Amino acid sequence: KQEVTQIPAALSVPEGENLVLNCSFTDSAIYNLQWFRQDPGKGLTSLLLIQSSQREQTSGRLNASLDKSSGRSTLYIAASQPGDSATYLCAVRPGNQFYFGTGTSLTVIP
Amino acid sequence: EAQVTQNPRYLITVTGKKLTVTCSQNMNHEYMSWYRQDPGLGLRQIYYSMNVEVTDKGDVPEGYKVSRKEKRNFPLILESPSPNQTSLYFCASRKAGGAINEQFFGPGTRLTVL
Repeated sequence: KQEVTQIPAALSVPEGENLVLNCSFTDSAIYNLQWFRQDPGKGLTSLLLIQSSQREQTSGRLNASLDKSSGRSTLYIAASQPGDSATYLCAVRPGNQFYFGTGTSLTVIP
Repeated sequence: EAQVTQNPRYLITVTGKKLTVTCSQNMNHEYMSWYRQDPGLGLRQIYYSMNVEVTDKGDVPEGYKVSRKEKRNFPLILESPSPNQTSLYFCASRKAGGAINEQFFGPGTRLTVL
């Protein structure tokens, strides 16, 4: 069974810093990996999806990379802003099911 | 607007009283799924459906039922709710097929079983 781990569980940074969130998974046989943002009490918003054949995807200040062979993905956030404060979740899709990490709670301090 | 909707958003009930949480999507997606989210455990998949009349168990199906009679709807049924089913529930959908298709989530239903 796929196990997904996100480290750190919580992160606090001053505004303007660049930061990296980590996601690791145990089985490299995946179709894709998706990063989500979750605000308190809200649903999940898709940020980036990386197909298994891709190495990275970019959207604005966000860049996600995937190293399938080592079972790792990173989400890089440039020039962090207070509005980036949220929980960030990664999920892998090995087949028809999805497996989520427990998330990294990010606080950006003004 | 393309979206996944869930109703109700909040529900407090008592042990043993049957309930249904509805989920609907307007994107003509083939794949729909239910998750529960619990502190420290993350999101876990309950059931998913690849298309009308095709459903399969996720990792935590015990105590839940689903049906997929129409493409747009995927209700979650708790026949006899118990307190350990108190959780935040999410419905999601995506287009079937290749690895490029993102999963879209509803706003969540917070269920409390007393």
